[in-house]
Amino acid sequence: QKEVEQNSGPLSVPEGAIASLNCTYSDRVSQSFFWYRQYSGKSPELIMSIYSNGDKEDGRFTAQLNKASQYVSLLIRDSQPSDSATYLCAVTNIGGATNKLIFGTGTLLAVQP
Amino acid sequence: SQTIHQWPATLVQPVGSPLSLECTVEGTSNPNLYWYRQAAGRGLQLLFYSVGIGQISSEVPQNLSASRPQDRQFILSSKKLLLSDSGFYLCAWSVLNTIYFGEGSWLTVV
Repeated sequence: QKEVEQNSGPLSVPEGAIASLNCTYSDRVSQSFFWYRQYSGKSPELIMSIYSNGDKEDGRFTAQLNKASQYVSLLIRDSQPSDSATYLCAVTNIGGATNKLIFGTGTLLAVQP
Repeated sequence: SQTIHQWPATLVQPVGSPLSLECTVEGTSNPNLYWYRQAAGRGLQLLFYSVGIGQISSEVPQNLSASRPQDRQFILSSKKLLLSDSGFYLCAWSVLNTIYFGEGSWLTVV
């Protein structure tokens, strides 16, 4: 079983719709959760971090964490073609140590104009 | 503000040749530094991390090595490249428990 799992996609949504990206993790003691956006051929850039159960909003982005069910999701409202990218979920599995940050393989999002 | 620079951006190297990728961080002191590799269609794999000058931890056995000669400088090296070393190499640094990546270096071994 992979430690961090994401559907590889592509997830195709029309412009203006809500894109929902999901991630599940296997280690129950995971403490910190991150979403990165990676455009083709570029390095990942941090979008959001979340540490507590519930929702965290930042502009058009909302991260949702449910530790009991071991999943974290990212919602993108009013999706734009510029949001088309691969979204990586990352989880720390021991005490929030950055050297223990585990990445999923990413979900490719395609926003159709 | 903190910035991270990584070079070269792209390189094509023959099998058996040496490798040196360099990374520097500005605007912070004593950062944790990391080298990741992203192979085609695969996730990010942590190769090395460093918590200080001369302190290197290797996460996976491989054909690569890392060094940290100065506080804000991190170098990834190989004496003899293999075809399997091809990929996208990313230097990164962290503050608190959040990792930030450099621009990356595309390595093609031919």
